[in-house]
Amino acid sequence: NAGVTQTPKFRVLKTGQSMTLLCAQDMNHAYMYWYRQDPGMGLRLIHYSVGEGTTAKGEVPDGYNVSRLKKQNFLLGLESAAPSQTSVYFCASSPGTGRSPLHFGNGTRLTVT
Amino acid sequence: SQQGEEDPQALSIQEGENATMNCSYKTSINNLQWYRQNSGRGLVHLILIRSNEREKHSGRLRVTLDTSKKSSSLLITASRAADTASYFCATPQEYGNKLVFGAGTILRVKS
Repeated sequence: NAGVTQTPKFRVLKTGQSMTLLCAQDMNHAYMYWYRQDPGMGLRLIHYSVGEGTTAKGEVPDGYNVSRLKKQNFLLGLESAAPSQTSVYFCASSPGTGRSPLHFGNGTRLTVT
Repeated sequence: SQQGEEDPQALSIQEGENATMNCSYKTSINNLQWYRQNSGRGLVHLILIRSNEREKHSGRLRVTLDTSKKSSSLLITASRAADTASYFCATPQEYGNKLVFGAGTILRVKS
């Protein structure tokens, strides 16, 4: 089992460019999450999904969109990147509600210049 | 807004010493989780303690939970250099659909 796989690992964008971050999990988990991690801020939830075809907003959803067309994949899109979106992005999955631990990918380091 | 807040922000100890990290949270919870993050890696789940438990052990880890004070502590005994990492507490919100993390404690174990 690969667990949770994030691609790409690193990316540099210019302001205004768009990109999609891909998260794939092979554990048949229902729930998937996108977090961003900034120094001194811990992890902040961007969007999450409790099942295929469903998504919901987290704490900091502005400037991001997501899609969950297949159960194993959760995509995070930036339509027009801004320097404030420079961060490390983590995807996670879990079997169910908050009683289950999250399994994390190793992150995507994004720099917007 | 962050539910959990860890204390201290950073901790530096010698190998073999014990390390204690604290977490405070704001709203009622049914469980609290602790995670570890090594530099450049994703978070790894360490232990989950339910609201009806006061203490839980896993190897060299001991977690306590005081729901009346809305606080938890993580104790790592006989620390090793490999324990150097950031440690986060996390609590569920919105009927468990979301897990909210604190800002973390950076632990450095010197050999």
